[in-house]
Amino acid sequence: NAGVTQTPKFRVLKTGQSMTLLCAQDMNHEYMYWYRQDPGMGLRLIHYSVGEGTTAKGEVPDGYNVSRLKKQNFLLGLESAAPSQTSVYFCASSILAGDAPGELFFGEGSRLTVL
Amino acid sequence: GQNIDQPTEMTATEGAIVQINCTYQTSGFNGLFWYQQHAGEAPTFLSYNVLDGLEEKGRFSSFLSRSKGYSYLLLKELQMKDSASYLCAASDSNYQLIWGAGTKLIIKP
Repeated sequence: NAGVTQTPKFRVLKTGQSMTLLCAQDMNHEYMYWYRQDPGMGLRLIHYSVGEGTTAKGEVPDGYNVSRLKKQNFLLGLESAAPSQTSVYFCASSILAGDAPGELFFGEGSRLTVL
Repeated sequence: GQNIDQPTEMTATEGAIVQINCTYQTSGFNGLFWYQQHAGEAPTFLSYNVLDGLEEKGRFSSFLSRSKGYSYLLLKELQMKDSASYLCAASDSNYQLIWGAGTKLIIKP
């Protein structure tokens, strides 16, 4: 019962470097999300996807790109990392409950530090 | 604008009852979620309310008043393992979740 798996769990980058976070879910969920969590703030939505081949911007999309080429995978890319992107990143997925997304299932998180 | 307010931190005693409040302002409303997050871990789903009233699930209950933009999470018979952050999130008219900053609950023996 893997659920939602994120890789890597930890990463240290230098300013200007690029990297990709991978999220994989084995629950056949339609919706997938990337959030960032910073101290003293609520979870903030970066990008999300309502199905294979679709992506949409969330609340804080600048500096990030995403792709959902396969239903089970949702990739988050940082093209040129900045110290402001130091955060804990959570991937989540959800089913459709009627017309609406249901509860979220989260991955374990990826802690990214940009120096 | 859209906003969620919940207390930053609360302290309670093992075996007692604690109520964590959440007020929300959203453009449209499609329900209120509560999640639990232990330190260093991922949030996990606790409850969902879309109609007014109380939903009970074991030691945890969640209440919603749509007219007041208010919800609370009630935890009974507190255990040390309930020490965690509790996140309130409201679903807006586009089914986007607006998250509170979380309430850190500290349980003392």
